[in-house]
Amino acid sequence: DAKTTQPNSMESNEEEPVHLPCNHSTISGTDYIHWYRQLPSQGPEYVIHGLTSNVNNRMASLAIAEDRKSSTLILHRATLRDAAVYYCILRDVGNEKLTFGTGTRLTIIP
Amino acid sequence: GAGVSQSPSNKVTEKGKDVELRCDPISGHTALYWYRQRLGQGLEFLIYFQGNSAPDKSGLPSDRFSAERTGESVSTLTIQRTQQEDSAVYLCASSVWGGNSPLHFGNGTRLTVT
Repeated sequence: DAKTTQPNSMESNEEEPVHLPCNHSTISGTDYIHWYRQLPSQGPEYVIHGLTSNVNNRMASLAIAEDRKSSTLILHRATLRDAAVYYCILRDVGNEKLTFGTGTRLTIIP
Repeated sequence: GAGVSQSPSNKVTEKGKDVELRCDPISGHTALYWYRQRLGQGLEFLIYFQGNSAPDKSGLPSDRFSAERTGESVSTLTIQRTQQEDSAVYLCASSVWGGNSPLHFGNGTRLTVT
């Protein structure tokens, strides 16, 4: 599986936007970029995924670089409930498994 | 609707005992996954079931670990002769089949081997 690289931790102020980066320089043409997050004492939760174009949903936006070697998850207005570990994962169309890395631990400062 | 349900939520067992963990997937989800998460670490893939196909067991760490699923319903993960290094949260997820269908996770079973 192609690998992703994320910062171990980030902090952000409440009610401000958060940009969570992910590098995936060895991404293949059939890899989709998925993001999950894990709140304390819970299982991971799907956030968003995309292939080439930027994507928006009710939770977040995903900005994908033109060369697809990096992407950014954008939380438009962070709340305390967004404090979690965020995982960036590459998933090939033919591969049903998700391989989780160590993610980015996001702390929201009130 | 109901999400993925796992039971028990917590299990404490003595070293050497067998344990059985249960997962009830979301109705209609043909794919089911088991993962393990040790304290402070990421998720490790254990096993994947899809419909009536042979399961992908490539992540099972030893022959003490096994899992079953009947059709598209409940799955059980069994750990025989538990060891202290088996202590972890065991997470189950389900999804509809299809390469980019999101996985829906339960809240896991926290296993402590004393």
